[in-house]
Amino acid sequence: GENVEQHPSTLSVQEGDSAVIKCTYSDSASNYFPWYKQELGKRPQLIIDIRSNVGEKKDQRIAVTLNKTAKHFSLHITETQPEDSAVYFCAASDVHNQGGKLIFGQGTELSVKP
Amino acid sequence: DAGITQSPRHKVTETGTPVTLRCHQTENHRYMYWYRQDPGHGLRLIHYSYGVKDTDKGEVSDGYSVSRSKTEDFLLTLESATSSQTSVYFCAISGTGKNSPLHFGNGTRLTVT
Repeated sequence: GENVEQHPSTLSVQEGDSAVIKCTYSDSASNYFPWYKQELGKRPQLIIDIRSNVGEKKDQRIAVTLNKTAKHFSLHITETQPEDSAVYFCAASDVHNQGGKLIFGQGTELSVKP
Repeated sequence: DAGITQSPRHKVTETGTPVTLRCHQTENHRYMYWYRQDPGHGLRLIHYSYGVKDTDKGEVSDGYSVSRSKTEDFLLTLESATSSQTSVYFCAISGTGKNSPLHFGNGTRLTVT
């Protein structure tokens, strides 16, 4: 089945700098890759997603890139702000069974220092 | 926000007792999921459902069972709770299944003593 590896596990940046989180996946058949943000004590919430027919997608300060050949995708946050501090999870779809399962990476704790 | 309610929000139970967590949705979505979240492991899928009475196992299903007798409710049961099942449990729903995002409930923090 699908396996997703996420790096780094922790990331500390200064306010205004960029942050990059990388994920690799194992199943070349996976075709949907969402990113979730989880603030302390809260539920994970979708912030951006990308499908395999697209190489890059942007939404204001957030962008995701996908390299299908290398089986990796990345989250880019520009002009970071303290409110970007949270745990970020990448995920990849498991297409081999019913039900649209998502397999998640281990998470990255992002800390933005003012 | 998606209409997902998990109950209870917090529970402390003793080793060996059965525990049932409930997920209730008001979105009429076909797909429902139970994940557990532990430090260093991210979110791991326990069981999922792709329709009433249609369920399947996820990555970490041992020690857990599920039932879905109606569209809006998905129950997760720990037959005999163990300390290794201390975790935060999240229910999620999806309307269209494949290639679509999951929407999560607020979670249940379960402590097994």
